[in-house]
Amino acid sequence: EPEVTQTPSHQVTQMGQEVILRCVPISNHLYFYWYRQILGQKVEFLVSFYNNEISEKSEIFDDQFSVERPDGSNFTLKIRSTKLEDSAMYFCASSENSGSTDTQYFGPGTRLTVL
Amino acid sequence: SQKIEQNSEALNIQEGKTATLTCNYTNYSPAYLQWYRQDPGRGPVFLLLIRENEKEKRKERLKVTFDTTLKQSLFHITASQPADSATYLCALANRDDKIIFGKGTRLHILP
Repeated sequence: EPEVTQTPSHQVTQMGQEVILRCVPISNHLYFYWYRQILGQKVEFLVSFYNNEISEKSEIFDDQFSVERPDGSNFTLKIRSTKLEDSAMYFCASSENSGSTDTQYFGPGTRLTVL
Repeated sequence: SQKIEQNSEALNIQEGKTATLTCNYTNYSPAYLQWYRQDPGRGPVFLLLIRENEKEKRKERLKVTFDTTLKQSLFHITASQPADSATYLCALANRDDKIIFGKGTRLHILP
């Protein structure tokens, strides 16, 4: 069964460094998402991406964050200058149609630790 | 601001009984409500979606109800099994791509 994959599974970085989290969505999906989950807290929407542009973003997704689909398969989340509070699990998800109305498939997540 | 509350942080149910989880929301009128399962250290797994004009949805041992007047959804697992033990997340969405999750309820099915 097709699945969303994410790399790396765990990323440790120093505060102020840039990180890029990578995702390979399911191949025929058109909608892509990033979420984060701080330990013990709820899953929080960051951004949705469709047709090569951001369709929605939350208040969390400020100028430090950016997303890109550099080729036909990868979907990346970049954090330009990491802060301690960016430490969280980051989940990528994809769906064939809009995730509001269709099944979203989540990846296994990348655990980001900012020291 | 929009708020989602799931009835309790943790719920213990005896194996074979029906587990009922509650999701209440305020300051929001969702067009869709979704339920997910999340196991420790894993990503959420989609279970069911119900639309604002639907009252009830079923899938195998799962049943979801959606009452837009009460602003509440109930999620039932019948004939519960220890393998059903997980955190269950309620999520709300409108006709955009932004989905808001509740904090979840940790369900423990006791053998």
